[in-house]
Amino acid sequence: NAGVTQTPKFQVLKTGQSMTLQCAQDMNHNSMYWYRQDPGMGLRLIYYSASEGTTDKGEVPNGYNVSRLNKREFSLRLESAAPSQTSVYFCASSRRQAFYNEQFFGPGTRLTVL
Amino acid sequence: EDKVVQSPLSLVVHEGDTVTLNCSYEVTNFRSLLWYKQEKKAPTFLFMLTSSGIEKKSGRLSSILDKKELFSILNITATQTGDSAVYLCAVATNAGKSTFGDGTTLTVKP
Repeated sequence: NAGVTQTPKFQVLKTGQSMTLQCAQDMNHNSMYWYRQDPGMGLRLIYYSASEGTTDKGEVPNGYNVSRLNKREFSLRLESAAPSQTSVYFCASSRRQAFYNEQFFGPGTRLTVL
Repeated sequence: EDKVVQSPLSLVVHEGDTVTLNCSYEVTNFRSLLWYKQEKKAPTFLFMLTSSGIEKKSGRLSSILDKKELFSILNITATQTGDSAVYLCAVATNAGKSTFGDGTTLTVKP
């Protein structure tokens, strides 16, 4: 089992460019999440998907969109990147809806917006 | 607004020392508190606590929750250099959201 995989691992964008971060899990988990982590800080929730077909905003959703493509895949899109979106992005999954389940994290995507 | 505060922000100890990391929280509709370890990559799960006073233990690590005083501690005994990491505390609520603290950076020197 690969667990949670993310692509790409690194990305540099110019302000205004768009891109999609991909995430997939092979653990048959129902819930998936996108977080960002800025230097010296904890994780902040961007969007989550409690189950296939549903998505909800987290703490910092502005400037992002998500798609729960199927049970395995959850993508995060930046439509017009801004320097404030420079961060490390983590995708995570858990067995069922509810954040009290332990979450399994992907390796992260380090994004720099110039 | 839900809030999770970890202390200290950073800690430097020597191998063999015992450390205590703190996590206090103010959230609406508390469901559980989780501890994660992050070593320059993705966080990995350590403990989940839902009830007060019940210690969770895994080797040299242990954790306990006090729901009355709204805090948890993570203890690491006989620290090793491999324990060097950022330790994250997260609180989950019945509303279906979780909030992370900023973490405690632990450095264990040989």
